[in-house]
Amino acid sequence: EAGVTQFPSHSVIEKGQTVTLRCDPISGHDNLYWYRRVMGKEIKFLLHFVKESKQDESGMPNNRFLAERTGGTYSTLKVQPAELEDSGVYFCASSQGGGRTYTEAFFGQGTRLTVV
Amino acid sequence: DQQVKQNSPSLSVQEGRISILNCDYTNSMFDYFLWYKKYPAEGPTFLISISSIKDKNEDGRFTVFLNKSAKHLSLHIVPSQPGDSAVYFCAASPRRGTGTYKYIFGTGTRLKVLA
Repeated sequence: EAGVTQFPSHSVIEKGQTVTLRCDPISGHDNLYWYRRVMGKEIKFLLHFVKESKQDESGMPNNRFLAERTGGTYSTLKVQPAELEDSGVYFCASSQGGGRTYTEAFFGQGTRLTVV
Repeated sequence: DQQVKQNSPSLSVQEGRISILNCDYTNSMFDYFLWYKKYPAEGPTFLISISSIKDKNEDGRFTVFLNKSAKHLSLHIVPSQPGDSAVYFCAASPRRGTGTYKYIFGTGTRLKVLA
């Protein structure tokens, strides 16, 4: 079974440009999350999709970040325009439906974004 | 404000000995806790979890202990192996029924197991 896949693995862009990150979750996982780790600090929550709906976007830094999950399958995270402080590793994770029990989230390998 | 804290940024342990990684949290709404292991240039990999109705969960060489009154959890690795060398993240999730299962992570502890 394929795991969570993220594209690209690395991206270097100039300040002011636009970048779109993509995440393909594990097939059948309703929950999809975006996280970010900046400068070796903690992994910070950005947002949570349940199928195609945004369940929680409390961690999104500002309106330069736009996440979508078309048809409840893959997800994209667009940063426009990118700023220097957006540099970091962006992780996507997915998990099965919550129901009455918790299940662990499976993470992708991350996209390392460098804004210069 | 850091809701999940891992106060030891690094830990070195001799192969075969016990590794103990600690984690403290402040939010009493957390009721599910996890440990993830991360190798360089890879995503975090789930290791073990515990819900707030338990105080211990074991999986092979890995045991997680939860002390709710102290808002403290720990991960024990026995015996430690060189392949366990990685960054370990503690994570917590809020009470079910809130509609979100987001994790709040600590800053990680880098474990080095010496051969």
